[in-house]
Amino acid sequence: ETGVTQTPRHLVMGMTNKKSLKCEQHLGHNAMYWYKQSAKKPLELMFVYNFKEQTENNSVPSRFSPECPNSSHLFLHLHTLQPEDSALYLCASSERGRGSGELFFGEGSRLTVL
Amino acid sequence: GESVGLHLPTLSVQEGDNSIINCAYSNSASDYFIWYKQESGKGPQFIIDIRSNMDKRQGQRVTVLLNKTVKHLSLQIAATQPGDSAVYFCAENTGGTSYGKLTFGQGTILTVHP
Repeated sequence: ETGVTQTPRHLVMGMTNKKSLKCEQHLGHNAMYWYKQSAKKPLELMFVYNFKEQTENNSVPSRFSPECPNSSHLFLHLHTLQPEDSALYLCASSERGRGSGELFFGEGSRLTVL
Repeated sequence: GESVGLHLPTLSVQEGDNSIINCAYSNSASDYFIWYKQESGKGPQFIIDIRSNMDKRQGQRVTVLLNKTVKHLSLQIAATQPGDSAVYFCAENTGGTSYGKLTFGQGTILTVHP
């Protein structure tokens, strides 16, 4: 398996549920990202992890909790979400020091909050 | 109230024509500018980047032009093919050289007619 893999591809949850999105990259990269893509706004950076350390939190509400146990895996834990959180959540990875901005994206997890 | 989504610019071309997609950016301090392509149901895919000290860069069938005076970026696609139909995003990297902290534009829908 190659590239960036996200699971699940689709998720429907209620506002009181707790769920997690998973991302795995097989590219040997050291930086991993969560982006949010909704119909109302351009792609938005949520979190950046560089060598497992969180280096960016773009003012994301605490109901989104990221976890990066190693350089290959990234999770986004979800709890008490709101309907406006419904969106496509994209994971990406890049080589450390690759300042050009060449990110490798997964296909996304489509989240619907009821 | 009723939610309002993004109204993306659209470009419709005939197969074989050249396409030009434009983008305005805001941050003069960005080190790199990047173009991504997103096909339906997939994550964004890197096309080409250009460093801020350059004004033109060519790839396979694509050329990116950067005009820092007016903060304008364009992507030219030569001999456009139906497989080029997608949403195209420009992005700027404000993360320095350590990782890709990207700010995306709203996107342009390109439709190529056979």
